[in-house]
Amino acid sequence: NAGVTQTPKFRVLKTGQSMTLLCAQDMNHEYMYWYRQDPGMGLRLIHYSVGEGTTAKGEVPDGYNVSRLKKQNFLLGLESAAPSQTSVYFCASSRTRDRGPTGELFFGEGSRLTVL
Amino acid sequence: AQTVTQSQPEMSVQEAETVTLSCTYDTSESDYYLFWYKQPPSRQMILVIRQEAYKQQNATENRFSVNFQKAAKSFSLKISDSQLGDAAMYFCAYRSAKNNNAGNMLTFGGGTRLMVKP
Repeated sequence: NAGVTQTPKFRVLKTGQSMTLLCAQDMNHEYMYWYRQDPGMGLRLIHYSVGEGTTAKGEVPDGYNVSRLKKQNFLLGLESAAPSQTSVYFCASSRTRDRGPTGELFFGEGSRLTVL
Repeated sequence: AQTVTQSQPEMSVQEAETVTLSCTYDTSESDYYLFWYKQPPSRQMILVIRQEAYKQQNATENRFSVNFQKAAKSFSLKISDSQLGDAAMYFCAYRSAKNNNAGNMLTFGGGTRLMVKP
């Protein structure tokens, strides 16, 4: 029972490089999210998606792009990495309210990204 | 926009004792969920307990219980009989229950690091 899977788990980038984080969920959830976690700031929402082909900005979207071409996948891209994007990134998914929700988000294991 | 505040960056408790972690939130909504998540060193986010705002009864899960004060917008977590495995970061989180297709994302507090002393 995989749940939410993130790849890669660790990555080191140089300033200006690009990369993509992949999130895959096998629970047929409509909603997916990308968060970043920084010390003392909890988790902050970067982008989210309420369904295949849709994306929306969260609290801290600058410097990131996302795509949801398939319902089970949500990609987070960094076009030109900056040291300020050094963080731990979490993907999460959930059902919509009209599917009998518990309100819970299901999280991946996180991806640690370091930008030098 | 909703905000969640955890005023205790760090807490410590003696093994087998009881500890309470504080959380306050700000919202104009009446229907929402509140959560406590635990994050051990493995980084995995583990749901500890949830509370639906329309329920007056405080949620409990084994050694974990909450004190939900809706009027005061307070949602504290009590851990009884603390164990070494309870040492972790704890995050309080808010989620709207509105059915408006706006994502219903979680808004997190800054976290409280709990240390358990043997």
